[in-house]
This record gives sequence, structure tokens and C-alpha cells, in this order.
Amino acid sequence: QKEVEQNSGPLSVPEGAIASLNCTYSDRGSQSFFWYRQYSGKSPELIMSIYSNGDKEDGRFTAQLNKASQYVSLLIRDSQPSDSATYLCAVGGSQGNLIFGKGTKLSVKP
Amino acid sequence: SAVISQKPSRDICQRGTSLTIQCQVDSQVTMMFWYRQQPGQSLTLIATANQGSEATYESGFVIDKFPISRPNLTFSTLTVSNMSPEDSSIYLCSVEGMEGSYNEQFFGPGTRLTVL
Repeated sequence: QKEVEQNSGPLSVPEGAIASLNCTYSDRGSQSFFWYRQYSGKSPELIMSIYSNGDKEDGRFTAQLNKASQYVSLLIRDSQPSDSATYLCAVGGSQGNLIFGKGTKLSVKP
Repeated sequence: SAVISQKPSRDICQRGTSLTIQCQVDSQVTMMFWYRQQPGQSLTLIATANQGSEATYESGFVIDKFPISRPNLTFSTLTVSNMSPEDSSIYLCSVEGMEGSYNEQFFGPGTRLTVL
């Protein structure tokens, strides 16, 4: 059974700080990794995709991938109250499907 | 990314009845997916629906309970049959991203189902 593990949180950070979200996965053969943001009552929104080891930056977001350690992370710099949401880590399966973690709830305090 | 709509956005149904959820995309896509998100939980894949072939169901989900149609490259339906309160959930369709966006998926707004 392929698994994706995340800390459920809640993770609370002050406005302007760096929020660090972590995810581990069980299938060593996984090749694609994603971070989705889900506001309460809304559907998931894709914010980052990463496929190679290392860092990928997009605005205030940085995704980090370490395939040897089977570890993916998302850093949010200069966190804003509008970043308060649940962040879902997803790993691509061999059939084009996604396997989701349970999500980490982030709260950014003004 | 594609624009995805779902109907209905929410419904309250009686036990034992069935509900069909529609998913419409504004561009042609090969792969469409149906997920369930139970209250306070993450997303679980129900099935993958490719046009021109039978849907592929994940472990724990069966065609009799969740029949799926995929008549063309822009539309799919999921039926939740013989509903019980345990089927109360958000049902989401998703589609693959553009060619080259390996495994990326984009989600519709979801259908919030409550079964009494």
C-alpha cells in the first residue's frame, strides 16, 4: 500500500515568518510530487509540482525534493494570513493517479 | 489550466436513493478522475475514467455502487447508488494537466453530498 504521510498540525506561524511543511512517501519509485492548497469548503488548488531532486521556487513558495530520503517539503516565505489553509502533499502513481496525504493545517496569525 | 464545472454543487438526499454528479470540462482531456473527501479527511481516489473504455476502480470501490460514464472527452458522470449516511462526502472530479505536465491534476469545485 503506497502511503503519503504528513503532520496534521495545526501549524501556527506569525505573519511574515517562514512556514515549513513536510511530507514523506513510501514508494521509492515515485517520480512526481505535488503540493495542493485547500481552503475550507473549497476544492484543492495546485500550487507546486516537483519532479527532480533539489529546490524549485515559485514566488514565495519553494518545494524541496529528496528522493533518497523519500521526503518532500514546502516552504512559504513571508507568510500571510491568506496562506491559512490545509496543504495537501500528493505523489503521482503509475496509472496517472495521485495519492494524497492527510494534509497539514496552517494558521498564519496577524 | 482547464475550467471544470460540477453539478450539483450540493445536495441532501434520502437513504436508499441515487444521485448522479456531472463533471464538465472546457477542453478535451483523456483522463478524468473521481475522488471522495470525507469530512475532515484527505482525498481518496474512487476511479479513473478514460473515454472509450470502462472506468478503473480503486480497491474498496465497485461499479455497482459508483457507476461512471465517460461518453466523450469533455464530460463524465459519477452516480452514488443506494446511498447511506456513510456516503456523505464531497465528491470531486479532476482532469489531467496540459501535455507535458506529468501527472498534474486540476480539480472541479466539488459536490457536497449529505445523506439523511
